[in-house]
Amino acid sequence: DQQVKQNSPSLSVQEGRISILNCDYTNSMFDYFLWYKKYPAEGPTFLISISSIKDKNEDGRFTVFLNKSAKHLSLHIVPSQPGDSAVYFCAASEDTDKLIFGTGTRLQVFP
Amino acid sequence: GAGVSQTPSNKVTEKGKYVELRCDPISGHTALYWYRQSLGQGPEFLIYFQGTGAADDSGLPNDRFFAVRPEGSVSTLKIQRTERGDSAVYLCASSPKGTSGGSSYNEQFFGPGTRLTVL
Repeated sequence: DQQVKQNSPSLSVQEGRISILNCDYTNSMFDYFLWYKKYPAEGPTFLISISSIKDKNEDGRFTVFLNKSAKHLSLHIVPSQPGDSAVYFCAASEDTDKLIFGTGTRLQVFP
Repeated sequence: GAGVSQTPSNKVTEKGKYVELRCDPISGHTALYWYRQSLGQGPEFLIYFQGTGAADDSGLPNDRFFAVRPEGSVSTLKIQRTERGDSAVYLCASSPKGTSGGSSYNEQFFGPGTRLTVL
């Protein structure tokens, strides 16, 4: 049973435009959510996180939105840059320490 | 400030052999995690250490998998009688969670992983 789902395996966006990556979860007990970025042959790199007590967190070009009633979160990247091309993983945790990851979305930003 | 390091970066072994994978966490991080990532999937939790003790080993798939962290720093993941299905990238992460002054949230910092191939 996949508790964290990223239904779009890939996304292609033009440089300068907004990238929106989506993530859905099923476990209402999750209270902390994170986004990681992964380049080939490297480990995931922490990008941004949000606690369940908030509905938005912003860090530079990256903003994460959380809709608890819909069990949905999204990552917005604006403006998108070619260097943002990578696989993005959504992850969640439930007052414990293990992270439950989605299957990832491959973002390609083209000039 | 070195990040999490893992050795070897690649390991090729034959079915039935024993392997050890090593993780050096970020200095001062008390929490250490092992994950496994198969092709096309996200990382899957295996085990979590807080200090020297395994706080949660619910993700270990069976008793062929074992991990230790005897001094609360370096950790070794051990796999006995390897099977072809064990082939994956094994990721290690560390976190300051639980450290005095550390974050109460669970931001984990990952190493580059060890790619294990069982022939």
